[in-house]
Amino acid sequence: GAGVSQSPRYKVTKRGQDVALRCDPISGHVSLYWYRQALGQGPEFLTYFNYEAQQDKSGLPNDRFSAERPEGSISTLTIQRTEQRDSAMYRCASSTRTGGTYNEQFFGPGTRLTVL
Amino acid sequence: KQEVTQIPAALSVPEGENLVLNCSFTDSAIYNLQWFRQDPGKGLTSLLLIQSSQREQTSGRLNASLDKSSGRSTLYIAASQPGDSATYLCAAYSGGYQKVTFGTGTKLQVIP
Repeated sequence: GAGVSQSPRYKVTKRGQDVALRCDPISGHVSLYWYRQALGQGPEFLTYFNYEAQQDKSGLPNDRFSAERPEGSISTLTIQRTEQRDSAMYRCASSTRTGGTYNEQFFGPGTRLTVL
Repeated sequence: KQEVTQIPAALSVPEGENLVLNCSFTDSAIYNLQWFRQDPGKGLTSLLLIQSSQREQTSGRLNASLDKSSGRSTLYIAASQPGDSATYLCAAYSGGYQKVTFGTGTKLQVIP
């Protein structure tokens, strides 16, 4: 009965370093979403996977950001050459699908990224 | 592009008061409308989810309504308590993959 899990919960890194954030969705959830939440704001969409296929990456801010979900389960969001403006809470969500309907998204606890 | 607005941005009320939080969205072709609670430094707690075919949902002291035609949703909190103090976010599911667009939230403070 585990929910969506994310690791690490907190990550502090120096500017210029690469970071990898992991999301483990609820078992059986085919849809996986990544969001970014700046302080005082609501989360903003980054990218979406249906099984292993990345079907929408329109929210990724630039080409330093990438995501993968190679086996249709765990997903990794990678930020290369981090910058201070990348500091935020990164949230992952997963959901089931019923035919063409996407169901409720369940959110993980997030990874707080701080770039020094 | 879907845009979600929440008014007011902050609200302070005495304990016991009934209150309404407002959410408006620009694209009425939504699938779901969900209300979340967020405590400082914590995750998102889902409160209520209204599917597009529904007009309202209730859970305990919370009641959420949805009017797609006018692009509005309201969250009604009855008999507010200090433990209700948090930021409340509304979120609209829309677009091809039903990605969620969040509002910026209403920060609620209930004063004992």
